[in-house]
Amino acid sequence: DAGITQSPRHKVTETGTPVTLRCHQTENHRYMYWYRQDPGHGLRLIHYSYGVKDTDKGEVSDGYSVSRSKTEDFLLTLESATSSQTSVYFCAISESMGNQPQHFGDGTRLSIL
Amino acid sequence: GENVEQHPSTLSVQEGDSAVIKCTYSDSASNYFPWYKQELGKRPQLIIDIRSNVGEKKDQRIAVTLNKTAKHFSLHITETQPEDSAVYFCAAGYIFGTGTRLKVLA
Repeated sequence: DAGITQSPRHKVTETGTPVTLRCHQTENHRYMYWYRQDPGHGLRLIHYSYGVKDTDKGEVSDGYSVSRSKTEDFLLTLESATSSQTSVYFCAISESMGNQPQHFGDGTRLSIL
Repeated sequence: GENVEQHPSTLSVQEGDSAVIKCTYSDSASNYFPWYKQELGKRPQLIIDIRSNVGEKKDQRIAVTLNKTAKHFSLHITETQPEDSAVYFCAAGYIFGTGTRLKVLA
């Protein structure tokens, strides 16, 4: 399995609080992605990165921000969490092309009460 | 933007039979079509992919076909086994379909 670590794996928090999820890779892949997975919606792209400090929005980026200060780390931040952001969040990486998520992390289950 | 539709949402087959899952996409510029398998509580895993310059690709019991003119692509699983039971997702680039829950009945 590709070296992708997501942290935390589970989190419960309250509406209005800031939340940061971390994705760490040891593969030195250029491209990184954040997805959310909800029943009936499949996986929806939130943001992606094509290099250090290079990021772009995906399908459902409202309410989320990202940062990538190092090749190996991609952070997803919910500035003020809402109940609609309760979901399972997956990080993914790919080596050579920007539209080809190849390997996924184990996911973070986030519950916002 | 790109839109991917996937059918059926659920599929039950007898062990040993074939399973077919179909997807359509909207953006004619799309050129990469991966398929993922996700077991319950696990991460999605890339199982096969096809690029726009290829019409068909096979890997053991699984195969994908692509019709660029009609903008649809399909996953074919032959000789299904209980361990094939999972949710399968198609994608056009990084835009995913909504998934097909495949159940293989022993």
